[in-house]
Parts: sequence; structure tokens; C-alpha cells
Amino acid sequence: AQRVTQPEKLLSVFKGAPVELKCNYSYSGSPELFWYVQYSRQRLQLLLRHISRESIKGFTADLNKGETSFHLKKPFAQEEDSAMYYCALLIQGAQKLVFGQGTRLTINP
Amino acid sequence: DAGVIQSPRHEVTEMGQEVTLRCKPISGHNSLFWYRQTMMRGLELLIYFNNNVPIDDSGMPEDRFSAKMPNASFSTLKIQPSEPRDSAVYFCASRTYRGLGGYTFGSGTRLTVV
Repeated sequence: AQRVTQPEKLLSVFKGAPVELKCNYSYSGSPELFWYVQYSRQRLQLLLRHISRESIKGFTADLNKGETSFHLKKPFAQEEDSAMYYCALLIQGAQKLVFGQGTRLTINP
Repeated sequence: DAGVIQSPRHEVTEMGQEVTLRCKPISGHNSLFWYRQTMMRGLELLIYFNNNVPIDDSGMPEDRFSAKMPNASFSTLKIQPSEPRDSAVYFCASRTYRGLGGYTFGSGTRLTVV
């Protein structure tokens, strides 16, 4: 089955603390994974994708095929990071994205 | 590029009425997706099109929902008749088929059925 699991619906950390948003996937093919961010009442925006191996706004995510995970990390959280974060898996044949349930991140001052 | 354009931004309608949501994808993108976002279920894929052809509508919840893409620059999602449980934010997204990038999302239509 093709599935993305984000185990935490809510995550709250203090400003300056490290952040890790968890994402696990289930997929028989070669995974292509993304993180999307949605700021309050705005559209979803692509944050990063694993094939690019990039760091955006201080966030990084590494694909771990052994653990079937793609956790999103940032060493020092900022208040403007408060948002909804979605992990997504691209289903290769169908070329469609399957999203996790999302994690609402709140950064406390 | 204006991005993916959705209209209306907000829609409030009475139960039983027909609702039509509209989407204009990014020019040159040949895949279009309709998602529904709710607190309970997160983001659900309703239907998607490649080159204007519906590929997978298994996410459409009921026969009350229908979607069309008459040309490469326009798609509609229709609910007839609408019910209060259809209240959600409906997002449209587009992508180049087999492109390297992810989706580009529209701003969404917040639908409230009273």
C-alpha cells in the first residue's frame, strides 16, 4: 500500500530549540518525497524535495530508505516557522502526490 | 506567471444548492489535481487529469461530485446538491507531467454549506 504517515498532528517547541517533524512512508517503488508548508490560511508551498538535497529556510530532510523515513529538521526554530507541514510521496506511475495528515508546528516565543 | 488561479476564494451556500469551483492551471502544465482539505482528514486527492483527460477519480466521495477539464487552461469541480459535510477548503494544483518539480497549488476555495 502507498501511504504517508505523520505521527504527530501537533508539535510545539520553543524558539531557538531544534525541530524534527516525522514522516514515514510505505511504497514498493523508488520513493520521491516532498515537504510542503502551509502558513496560516495560505496556499501550500513546496518547501523541499529529497532529490534536490537542498536546505530551504534552514530546513533539511534526508531520505532513509532503511527506515522508510523522510523527517524534516531544523536546528534552531524561529517563530515564523509556525505553520502546517505536509509530507508527500509521488506515486511514479500515476504521477500523483499522496499526502500525510500533516503536522501543525507551533513555535513559542 | 500568476500561478494557479482558483475562484471563488470563498463560497457560502445553502444545503441543496449547486456549487461550482473553478481552476486555471499554470500555462504549460498538463497535469491538474483537485484536493479537499479538512481538519479531520487532511488533504485528500479527489481527481486528477493528464492532458485534460480524467485519470483517477477514485477519491471523489460521491456521485454528487463531478469534475471537468474542457481545455488545458480550465477545470471545474461541481457539487450538486451540496451538503454541510462538503464544507472544506478545495485546492487545485498543477504540474508538468513527469516533471522534476512538485505541484504548484492555488490559493484554494473555502466552501461553507449551511
